[in-house]
Amino acid sequence: DVKVTQSSRYLVKRTGEKVFLECVQDMDHENMFWYRQDPGLGLRLIYFSYDVKMKEKGDIPEGYSVSREKKERFSLILESASTNQTSMYLCASSPGTGDSYGYTFGSGTRLTVV
Amino acid sequence: AQTVTQSQPEMSVQEAETVTLSCTYDTSESDYYLFWYKQPPSRQMILVIRQEAYKQQNATENRFSVNFQKAAKSFSLKISDSQLGDAAMYFCAWEGGSEKLVFGKGMKLTVNP
Repeated sequence: DVKVTQSSRYLVKRTGEKVFLECVQDMDHENMFWYRQDPGLGLRLIYFSYDVKMKEKGDIPEGYSVSREKKERFSLILESASTNQTSMYLCASSPGTGDSYGYTFGSGTRLTVV
Repeated sequence: AQTVTQSQPEMSVQEAETVTLSCTYDTSESDYYLFWYKQPPSRQMILVIRQEAYKQQNATENRFSVNFQKAAKSFSLKISDSQLGDAAMYFCAWEGGSEKLVFGKGMKLTVNP
């Protein structure tokens, strides 16, 4: 019954490392999203994609990039990890049919940058 | 920009009682969707309920119902007969047709036995 899978549940990286967070969905959804969740700040949109090889910036894209080479996979990249990127990262997908039924979320990756 | 406000960061309720979680939003659009999501300690975000703004009727899903006041831009969630498993973070979210959700900051619900 797995729908959206994030490759790591917990991740610890060093400052300056290049970090890849992977997300795969098996529902043939058009849209995929990366959010960051911090206590007291809720969920903030980093990047999203409406189609393969397409990407758009969300509200807080600085320090991040994304890749969507295949429909089912959406990767979030931290080019040079910093301690202020320590957070919970949530991937989500939606069908893209026009009617909004919300997202299906992954279980999140808790990233710690030391 | 659209904003979603959950003014109460935490609430508690006794098991079997009813609790109402508040949410307000700001938008100039007339057609949109509203959602409540639940995030238990397992971290998996679960859709609780969905409301289409053009529908007058309030959405219900078993013990969960909403009070949608479009003119007041208010979208509260009522949980009846609260259960221990209802303890979680609850997020209110808005979406205006772009399929990008705007979330509130969340509210932690504690259910006391």
